[in-house]
Amino acid sequence: DSGVTQTPKHLITATGQRVTLRCSPRSGDLSVYWYQQSLDQGLQFLIQYYNGEERAKGNILERFSAQQFPDLHSELNLSSLELGDSALYFCASSAFTGGWMYNEQFFGPGTRLTVL
Amino acid sequence: GQQVMQIPQYQHVQEGEDFTTYCNSSTTLSNIQWYKQRPGGHPVFLIQLVKSGEVKKQKRLTFQFGEAKKNSSLHITATQTTDVGTYFCAGQVGDKIIFGKGTRLHILP
Repeated sequence: DSGVTQTPKHLITATGQRVTLRCSPRSGDLSVYWYQQSLDQGLQFLIQYYNGEERAKGNILERFSAQQFPDLHSELNLSSLELGDSALYFCASSAFTGGWMYNEQFFGPGTRLTVL
Repeated sequence: GQQVMQIPQYQHVQEGEDFTTYCNSSTTLSNIQWYKQRPGGHPVFLIQLVKSGEVKKQKRLTFQFGEAKKNSSLHITATQTTDVGTYFCAGQVGDKIIFGKGTRLHILP
């Protein structure tokens, strides 16, 4: 158990819909990362938040957005869903303190999204 | 765009044989991390390499970071069934983390 929790575990929805994935980081971790894992694309870095602020952006689509709340939990919002958005979405947290170098990330169990 | 290429994509080895996976980047990396993901599980951190030419060992696992900080390797000696899973490298370029596509290791008993 990494200490990172994600809900829900599974989500099945239809194209065009909007969903919200939730992540609670390990106690004390200020940094949260979101990743998308699909069979053909591997693990894709989407976005990082540090202490409530967006810090780095990866390959995140405009239809996707995220935020980190004052209690440090984070939500990833996926809208206008397409079949190709079906994937495993991981959240990770770390003790990153805002410097230049990332450190060990602890991954949650993931949310499996299926878009029909 | 920036990429971290990881090879091979799949590797089948007999139990007891050695295994190596390689990562190559088109860009100099600030550091590189290695993760292991068991089937049905989530990535678990193994190690981070920061210095040029760095070599680190964890029991049967040996990690290397190239002199130019553009490539890295993970070598497992005498594989065991518990080594089954997908091994990912993740390189930092600027403020971004770029994961390789992983090498899936199958162990034949």
